[in-house]
Amino acid sequence: ETGVTQSPTHLIKTRGQQVTLRCSSQSGHNTVSWYQQALGQGPQFIFQYYREEENGRGNFPPRFSGLQFPNYSSELNVNALELDDSALYLCASSLEGLAGKGTDTQYFGPGTRLTVL
Amino acid sequence: AQSVTQPDIHITVSEGASLELRCNYSYGATPYLFWYVQSPGQGLQLLLKYFSGDTLVQGIKGFEAEFKRSQSSFNLRKPSVHWSDAAEYFCAVGPRGNEKLTFGTGTRLTIIP
Repeated sequence: ETGVTQSPTHLIKTRGQQVTLRCSSQSGHNTVSWYQQALGQGPQFIFQYYREEENGRGNFPPRFSGLQFPNYSSELNVNALELDDSALYLCASSLEGLAGKGTDTQYFGPGTRLTVL
Repeated sequence: AQSVTQPDIHITVSEGASLELRCNYSYGATPYLFWYVQSPGQGLQLLLKYFSGDTLVQGIKGFEAEFKRSQSSFNLRKPSVHWSDAAEYFCAVGPRGNEKLTFGTGTRLTIIP
């Protein structure tokens, strides 16, 4: 069973640039959630994707957007980067099943460390 | 709105001593509660979870947690800590296990010989 993987591991960008982060969900999982973890803070929910549609969003501006692909992998895109976007970005996968027969836990990847200069 | 409070930012414990990390939550319905652990530069690993049933739940690495509805608490305990337990610990609450989780700010655990 393959766990959640994320790429790249580290990334350095400058203010105003755009960035794409990638996530491969755990085998058999169809739902991907993205979280932002600023230094010294707990993770903050950005959004979730299920069946290639956004399925819930946290308090993040529209310049944070995402995609989910038919193989359930996902991308997080951030436009017009700001210094405060520097953080660890975590992807988590889970299974949304019929009649509640999905997983009851989200499994996290190792994260992508984004630094905005 | 759901929220989680972890009152202790940093705790130092001697190796072999017992440990209790505090977590208080605010949630309008029956919550799903989780404890995750994060080692430096790593992602989050699930220690244990509570949805319903027995209010004392067992997790991995010898950890346990007790759900107390009257106190809105879900404290994490371990009878005897090991040096490898040094990490950041996060409590989280959600409407379901695979939906939006709200995390606390974490408690950093330091183990001294």
